[in-house]
Amino acid sequence: GAVVSQHPSRVICKSGTSVKIECRSLDFQATTMFWYRQFPKQSLMLMATSNEGSKATYEQGVEKDKFLINHASLTLSTLTVTSAHPEDSSFYICSASHAGTDTQYFGPGTRLTVL
Amino acid sequence: DAKTTQPPSMDCAEGRAANLPCNHSTISGNEYVYWYRQIHSQGPQYIIHGLKNNETNEMASLIITEDRKSSTLILPHATLRDTAVYYCIVRASFTGANNLFFGTGTRLTVIP
Repeated sequence: GAVVSQHPSRVICKSGTSVKIECRSLDFQATTMFWYRQFPKQSLMLMATSNEGSKATYEQGVEKDKFLINHASLTLSTLTVTSAHPEDSSFYICSASHAGTDTQYFGPGTRLTVL
Repeated sequence: DAKTTQPPSMDCAEGRAANLPCNHSTISGNEYVYWYRQIHSQGPQYIIHGLKNNETNEMASLIITEDRKSSTLILPHATLRDTAVYYCIVRASFTGANNLFFGTGTRLTVIP
């Protein structure tokens, strides 16, 4: 099956710093990647959709200047949380799909803790 | 995308079949039924999907009623590792948006 990796798996940072999370599709070319976040005991919420080479499309209520998404290649998308604050602490999960199939494959997630 | 309704929790004895129901009474003709599961602190895992015919793979079987208003995911021989939250998602395939809407799912607990 298709494999999606994320790095790092967990990160702790100080308030005000920026954190970059990488999402890679290891054995397929991901034409579309998605970023979700999940707060404790809640379901996944879509943050943004990115297509390779295009600007990301953000969901309502998600600040595009705070959550920078780059999808520069068909195997890599990055999410940068800028000026992180404690309320940004969450489980961030990416998923990827490739042309010709509609199934999304998810990464293992990144747990961000902002002190 | 059509809304789905799932029971919040279920228990199943280890080794028995786990049958997880999902109602999607407003499903439209071009919408598929997808099932994912999320084991604690991990990313969701794709299980199976179907349109109107029953489907089976190495993980599970998907039974869709003839009117497509409900479906059942069957794990034939549940193990402790199947303890997870199971999400039933209905969405049109090959849409431009392509995103998945995760509801609250069913928390399945497999009991030894």
